[in-house]
Amino acid sequence: GAGVSQTPSNKVTEKGKYVELRCDPISGHTALYWYRQSLGQGPEFLIYFQGTGAADDSGLPNDRFFAVRPEGSVSTLKIQRTERGDSAVYLCASSSFPSGASTGELFFGEGSRLTVL
Amino acid sequence: KQEVTQIPAALSVPEGENLVLNCSFTDSAIYNLQWFRQDPGKGLTSLLLIQSSQREQTSGRLNASLDKSSGRSTLYIAASQPGDSATYLCAGSGNNYGQNFVFGPGTRLSVLP
Repeated sequence: GAGVSQTPSNKVTEKGKYVELRCDPISGHTALYWYRQSLGQGPEFLIYFQGTGAADDSGLPNDRFFAVRPEGSVSTLKIQRTERGDSAVYLCASSSFPSGASTGELFFGEGSRLTVL
Repeated sequence: KQEVTQIPAALSVPEGENLVLNCSFTDSAIYNLQWFRQDPGKGLTSLLLIQSSQREQTSGRLNASLDKSSGRSTLYIAASQPGDSATYLCAGSGNNYGQNFVFGPGTRLSVLP
């Protein structure tokens, strides 16, 4: 697609439920990032994929959070047993990652706003 | 751990003014630096990327510079317009903290007509 697409744009769930958030990156971008943004703060890194593999998952807050990218394109962020503190906007970004480079320019989606009641 | 500070936290100026937003990193070993704009309830829009071999980038009325010795970046906006009102965030990547961008908290800009 032309840009990074995220679905759903809004998700309201109850405490303890399971949630999946989807990200469809820019076509051909090999790097994919998940960030979380709370009100009034900058985005906080969660996980980074290079192709199908998670190259860095050091930002995942605990084992309730998990992300996959099975075919190196679309990614799903999965949150088990949601808690009220998980409420935030979850942002996805993709990047064209030239060989040998550290990071390329990030392009973000509109985000998925998660509210846990 | 890399930490990013943005000064000022908020800024209100009359239309037409030139202004400077500041960003500083505790770890000055920055590889790439990117400035973003975020409108309320929206995602981040890329404004400028300063890559490892560069010190400055310009796009229209925007100019961003990076001093790698101090770990400081500035975003200069010339002849500000009400449409420039948004939150501006800087983010840097570096070899010392993984291949991801670390973000500042942002500067909330209001340009008054």
